[in-house]
Amino acid sequence: DQQVKQNSPSLSVQEGRISILNCDYTNSMFDYFLWYKKYPAEGPTFLISISSIKDKNEDGRFTVFLNKSAKHLSLHIVPSQPGDSAVYFCARPRTGNQFYFGTGTSLTVIP
Amino acid sequence: EPEVTQTPSHQVTQMGQEVILRCVPISNHLYFYWYRQILGQKVEFLVSFYNNEISEKSEIFDDQFSVERPDGSNFTLKIRSTKLEDSAMYFCASHKGDSSYNEQFFGPGTRLTVL
Repeated sequence: DQQVKQNSPSLSVQEGRISILNCDYTNSMFDYFLWYKKYPAEGPTFLISISSIKDKNEDGRFTVFLNKSAKHLSLHIVPSQPGDSAVYFCARPRTGNQFYFGTGTSLTVIP
Repeated sequence: EPEVTQTPSHQVTQMGQEVILRCVPISNHLYFYWYRQILGQKVEFLVSFYNNEISEKSEIFDDQFSVERPDGSNFTLKIRSTKLEDSAMYFCASHKGDSSYNEQFFGPGTRLTVL
């Protein structure tokens, strides 16, 4: 039961350009979504979240968009920096405190 | 800044042996979790723990697994008789529990290798 799906396992972007990471979901019951970033040999770190009452949330270079009709969310990073190179996971609550994580998209920002 | 810590960073064990993975969650957090990530696969929820008991567990968390908070700071995951397929990164996480938006803070992980 893949409640969140990230269809692109990898993405390469030139430094300074926009990175767009995508996530689709299958169930609209829950009220928020999160993005996590993971560097090699480290645990995931929380990046940004969005409530389902909003369609956009912005934090510095990071913006998450939620399209409820399409059951789709995306993370935009602009401008992309080499330090943004990491694996990005979208996540959503399953039940209570249990989360579903996507399979991740590995972003490489080329200097 | 407070952080979740995990020890050891890498554990190698023989199949059938017991392992204990240790975590120290952030001190004022109330909810604790274990996740695992098999190489090349997604991060999978194992178990959540609140108020000194398991609050949720996944189908992965069978009788071979147990968790414990033996004192006020440590949170452990025990695998009684390890199997080859238990080889994975194991992440501990915690959160405060005082918000509707349950941002979980993850530790750096323990890489478990079962030979």
